[in-house]
Amino acid sequence: AQSVTQLGSHVSVSEGALVLLRCNYSSSVPPYLFWYVQYPNQGLQLLLKYTTGATLVKGINGFEAEFKKSETSFHLTKPSAHMSDAAEYFCAVSDYEAAGNKLTFGGGTRVLVKP
Amino acid sequence: DAMVIQNPRYQVTQFGKPVTLSCSQTLNHNVMYWYQQKSSQAPKLLFHYYDKDFNNEADTPDNFQSRRPNTSFCFLDIRSPGLGDAAMYLCATSRDLSSAGGSSYEQYFGPGTRLTVT
Repeated sequence: AQSVTQLGSHVSVSEGALVLLRCNYSSSVPPYLFWYVQYPNQGLQLLLKYTTGATLVKGINGFEAEFKKSETSFHLTKPSAHMSDAAEYFCAVSDYEAAGNKLTFGGGTRVLVKP
Repeated sequence: DAMVIQNPRYQVTQFGKPVTLSCSQTLNHNVMYWYQQKSSQAPKLLFHYYDKDFNNEADTPDNFQSRRPNTSFCFLDIRSPGLGDAAMYLCATSRDLSSAGGSSYEQYFGPGTRLTVT
């Protein structure tokens, strides 16, 4: 069985400061990992994904994440927060071996950006 | 642009009155999913269609049903909505390994339908 843990349900950062969202996973197979962002009353939008290859992946809106197998982590970072980054962020792992690519989500981290 | 469309965006229904939410996609993906998301929680998978095959999650109440008449459309039927069914309902799609072009692995989400039960 797969699981995802996001440390911190709420994170507050100042505009211009580093954004760091933590994600740890458990998977019985090499993981395929995702970060999604959700703005109020919207669906989920893919920020970035790791499947194979380079462990540092870059996504949209200046975000990047690094897959660290030894730490079973896939933390999301952005060097400089912008007010528009205020949203909820979900880390997810894919059960790609089963028909249907089911995702297991973490509990989410709500980001507040202070001016 | 290829996308996942959900109608309506906001739906109000009465306690016990059947309601149907719709989802359509122009991505030609073979897998479609329905999620329920309550406030400040992660999306919870209700069921998914792998092509025409329906896959129900073990803990999805019988009150929730789904139909997929063709590749592009998928419907969520709530037979007798209760107050606890008020939530955001998200539709998503993905392209699985069996599809031309192989798997996209990620899921593409629609904007959601917010259901209110009065």
